[in-house]
Amino acid sequence: QVQLVESGGGVVQPGRSLRLSCTATGFSFSSYGMHWVRQAPGKGLEWVALISYDGNNKYYVDSAKGRFTISRDNSKNTLYLQMKSLRAEDTAVYYCAKDLRGIVVVGALETWGQGTLVTVSS
Amino acid sequence: QSALTQPASVSGSPGQSITISCTGTSSDISDYNFVSWYQHHPGTAPKLMIYEVSNRPSGVPDRFSGSKSGNTASLTISGLQAEDTADYYCSSYTSSNTPYVFGTGTKVTVL
Repeated sequence: QVQLVESGGGVVQPGRSLRLSCTATGFSFSSYGMHWVRQAPGKGLEWVALISYDGNNKYYVDSAKGRFTISRDNSKNTLYLQMKSLRAEDTAVYYCAKDLRGIVVVGALETWGQGTLVTVSS
Repeated sequence: QSALTQPASVSGSPGQSITISCTGTSSDISDYNFVSWYQHHPGTAPKLMIYEVSNRPSGVPDRFSGSKSGNTASLTISGLQAEDTADYYCSSYTSSNTPYVFGTGTKVTVL
């Protein structure tokens, strides 16, 4: 079945970097846009980033621009989120999610991973 | 782009119907039909309940329905059941510099 598994979370000091991974199985990964969404402790969901099926188009929430980079390796069925200059306010559970449609992204997140916790603290 | 506005909480008795509103602007809900709704039980992965305003993914009960009028989208849950207790979030495409935005979230309690 369709499955997404995130990894790479942990505790990191402010200003440092971290790379999250999301491994996909059960579907044609290279045919779908992919998203990252996060949820800070006690807060709501926040959309973070989107990458098109072929990796050619990338979009970010304002707070992530210039610090986060979304990428994908379709040969490995893996999505990435490289985060640098991390701040306390980046502390959250980070989810990867598959868009419902194929090549045309509609922002309907059909399948989600279980999430990985990132804690930014000294 | 600010979050879409939802009521903080809504409650109802088993069997009743409730409606959750999601208010946006002319940059999102009113101009685009890319509105989705998610159910989230804390500690688990969110679940897509409605996409493109009113469509249900396979496996979602028809007790859940979505609609839109102007800059407000709505999720209606009919025949409330205990397992419907969860947080619910709307989301929409937006023409602002951030392409997607979530709502503030609504805690639904089945009394």
